[in-house]
Amino acid sequence: DGGITQSPKYLFRKEGQNVTLSCEQNLNHDAMYWYRQDPGQGLRLIYYSQIVNDFQKGDIAEGYSVSREKKESFPLTVTSAQKNPTAFYLCASSTYPLTQNTEAFFGQGTRLTVV
Amino acid sequence: DAKTTQPNSMESNEEEPVHLPCNHSTISGTDYIHWYRQLPSQGPEYVIHGLTSNVNNRMASLAIAEDRKSSTLILHRATLRDAAVYYCILRPTGTASKLTFGTGTRLQVTL
Repeated sequence: DGGITQSPKYLFRKEGQNVTLSCEQNLNHDAMYWYRQDPGQGLRLIYYSQIVNDFQKGDIAEGYSVSREKKESFPLTVTSAQKNPTAFYLCASSTYPLTQNTEAFFGQGTRLTVV
Repeated sequence: DAKTTQPNSMESNEEEPVHLPCNHSTISGTDYIHWYRQLPSQGPEYVIHGLTSNVNNRMASLAIAEDRKSSTLILHRATLRDAAVYYCILRPTGTASKLTFGTGTRLQVTL
């Protein structure tokens, strides 16, 4: 089945360690997005990519890095520079160029806890 | 990007209709209005979208004001499975669409 897969569902890391969250899609979508969600809050955009080998910072990119070497993959690295990394991370994809009829598809999220 | 405003929370009884409002007074002429919902501990899912005319699909209906400065998502018969956070989003024109979410409306459905 076509879809977008995030792994793992739960992730625990010690403070000061970098951690990489996986996001894979087989929808043949060009655009991919990473969001962060804190308890009781909406989604905030971290990074997005409209095409392979290209990506742009979102609203809260500091302390995060991404790569887009393959169309189907958009991994997110949470670095030790991120002050409050504990959060729910969501990946999404959509077609590109974005027509206004385009809907985005989301993964089930990765809940990262840093102790 | 144009901003949307939604109530923080709403309540409904099961089997009753629910009208979820969204204000978007700074909407531009070619922005589409999209709605997503997020069930607990899951990623958001697409619900419906429209431009000027009212829209219906199997999940919901979307009523858009004539001046397009507001819209209403209508769930015709709420069920317990409809309890979620509902997001109203504007899809701007151009190639750099960031897909920006607000805080949404938390819908509680009771028996």
